[in-house]
Amino acid sequence: DQQVKQNSPSLSVQEGRISILNCDYTNSMFDYFLWYKKYPAEGPTFLISISSIKDKNEDGRFTVFLNKSAKHLSLHIVPSQPGDSAVYFCAANSGGGADGLTFGKGTHLIIQP
Amino acid sequence: DAGVIQSPRHEVTEMGQEVTLRCKPISGHNSLFWYRQTMMRGLELLIYFNNNVPIDDSGMPEDRFSAKMPNASFSTLKIQPSEPRDSAVYFCASRTRTGRGGYTFGSGTRLTVV
Repeated sequence: DQQVKQNSPSLSVQEGRISILNCDYTNSMFDYFLWYKKYPAEGPTFLISISSIKDKNEDGRFTVFLNKSAKHLSLHIVPSQPGDSAVYFCAANSGGGADGLTFGKGTHLIIQP
Repeated sequence: DAGVIQSPRHEVTEMGQEVTLRCKPISGHNSLFWYRQTMMRGLELLIYFNNNVPIDDSGMPEDRFSAKMPNASFSTLKIQPSEPRDSAVYFCASRTRTGRGGYTFGSGTRLTVV
């Protein structure tokens, strides 16, 4: 049973527009959420995170929104750039961070020129 | 900082052979994680260590899989005997115990069992 779900395997967005990647989770114990970006033949790299005590965190072009009641989070990229083309993974954990991360299956973002 | 180092980058082996994947975490990181990525299951946690001690191995798929961390700078994931369904990309990650983020991944080992 997938505890972290990314229901869109792929997403195509025009350069300069907003990219919105979505993630849902089922485990109420999750209290910390992260987004990772992955290029082919490389490991995932950390992008942005949010604690469950917040509903928004912003870092440059990247903003993550958390809706705890809906168990939903989203990653907004504005404006989208060609270098943003990658697979984006949503991840979550609990237990004060001592445990490993539970990942979604990823969304392949394609930025079209 | 060289990051998390995994070896080999690619491994092709025949069914039934023993396979050993290696990981060197970032110096000073005291938690180490092994993940496996497949198309069907995505990234799944296999096992993790805190201070070289295995904490949770519930993700290890079968007894054919074993992992060790003999010291703070080295870990291995062994598959014996290997099977074609073990073909996947295996990632190692490390982090410090403090804070909630800080997971750094290696570049992975692509394992193909024929």
